[in-house]
Amino acid sequence: GAVVSQHPSWVICKSGTSVKIECRSLDFQATTMFWYRQFPKQSLMLMATSNEGSKATYEQGVEKDKFLINHASLTLSTLTVTSAHPEDSSFYICSATPGQYYEQYFGPGTRLTVT
Amino acid sequence: AQTVTQSQPEMSVQEAETVTLSCTYDTSESDYYLFWYKQPPSRQMILVIRQEAYKQQNATENRFSVNFQKAAKSFSLKISDSQLGDAAMYFCAYRSTLSGNTPLVFGKGTRLSVIA
Repeated sequence: GAVVSQHPSWVICKSGTSVKIECRSLDFQATTMFWYRQFPKQSLMLMATSNEGSKATYEQGVEKDKFLINHASLTLSTLTVTSAHPEDSSFYICSATPGQYYEQYFGPGTRLTVT
Repeated sequence: AQTVTQSQPEMSVQEAETVTLSCTYDTSESDYYLFWYKQPPSRQMILVIRQEAYKQQNATENRFSVNFQKAAKSFSLKISDSQLGDAAMYFCAYRSTLSGNTPLVFGKGTRLSVIA
């Protein structure tokens, strides 16, 4: 149990376009989802915390107008990278949790390449 | 704010031997969770072991065990009988229990190589 999926697993887009990444909890209801970014050979950097039905809370330095996060249901959160640039190329990972005293379950990640 | 420090960027171990990965953290909270995550080349984050701060007993999961020293704010991971499949990045992580669903705070990671 406790499976989190991400789609797509790899996406290539052109500079200036937008791309949407989906994060789904398959067998539990996720009250909170987290979005992380990971550069090669580095650790995970928290981008935002997303609670179902509420606006996402962004970490300092993360542009909320560029990285749009929507958590419209208890099983789905989306991250939209708007007007993508090559420097947005990275590995994006989501995690989800059913509640405060539960584990955080990680998705397999999405590799974004902006050309 | 809490911080997690992993002072060993890279470690290596012979197959079947034992290796210990270090982690220290800084917090003013008395109750929290600590984790070790493994990230293999597939980049899927895998939970290795979890420790609740109010529990004095060190957590163990098969070949993986921790040495949790709360006063010293130290949380090391011991891998016994190392296997080739243990080669990966290992991240130490902290999670507050104060309120709500708090995110994990990660260390910078330790890359473990296993030598056959």
